[in-house]
Amino acid sequence: SQQGEEDPQALSIQEGENATMNCSYKTSINNLQWYRQNSGRGLVHLILIRSNEREKHSGRLRVTLDTSKKSSSLLITASRAADTASYFCATARYKLSFGAGTTVTVRA
Amino acid sequence: NAGVTQTPKFQVLKTGQSMTLQCAQDMNHNSMYWYRQDPGMGLRLIYYSASEGTTDKGEVPNGYNVSRLNKREFSLRLESAAPSQTSVYFCASSGQGEDQPQHFGDGTRLSIL
Repeated sequence: SQQGEEDPQALSIQEGENATMNCSYKTSINNLQWYRQNSGRGLVHLILIRSNEREKHSGRLRVTLDTSKKSSSLLITASRAADTASYFCATARYKLSFGAGTTVTVRA
Repeated sequence: NAGVTQTPKFQVLKTGQSMTLQCAQDMNHNSMYWYRQDPGMGLRLIYYSASEGTTDKGEVPNGYNVSRLNKREFSLRLESAAPSQTSVYFCASSGQGEDQPQHFGDGTRLSIL
């Protein structure tokens, strides 16, 4: 069963704006990962945050994790057309469990 | 730099036909996985192999079988295809441990009529 649920399901922003998406989950986790999927392609790992971490950065990506609220957020700053993709959170406890994803469209 | 290679990329089957999806990785990873992706459902784990010689059921194993042929190759077999198995199938691999990212192939798009 799906562990993570992303919100919103879809997001449309202008190039240069920031994009924020959220992930909520139900049970305790060891880590939470974010993946990107371009149309017609496989998933690509973006960033992993462990359960004892609160925030992590990678380039234009910022991930937060609040284990008390069982939620995570992914922020993409200064978005580009190439950021158009679906983004998935995946929670890890023995195995990865993926959410249904947020589809992000960046308008030029 | 191939990573995870899946074949075929597209396939159309008739109900009742059998089919094997192939997956190979060149990253010397111990763990390999098969997922299916359906609209609005995210990815669901069908089977996984934590190491060469072992396989385990995931969330949706019914109607599928797997073979870990060697460390590089992990195949998924549909013995008698059903329309409900129409989906996009992804193979992934990772190093050992939960903090290892998974690397995905580009998928096999399978339609069963």
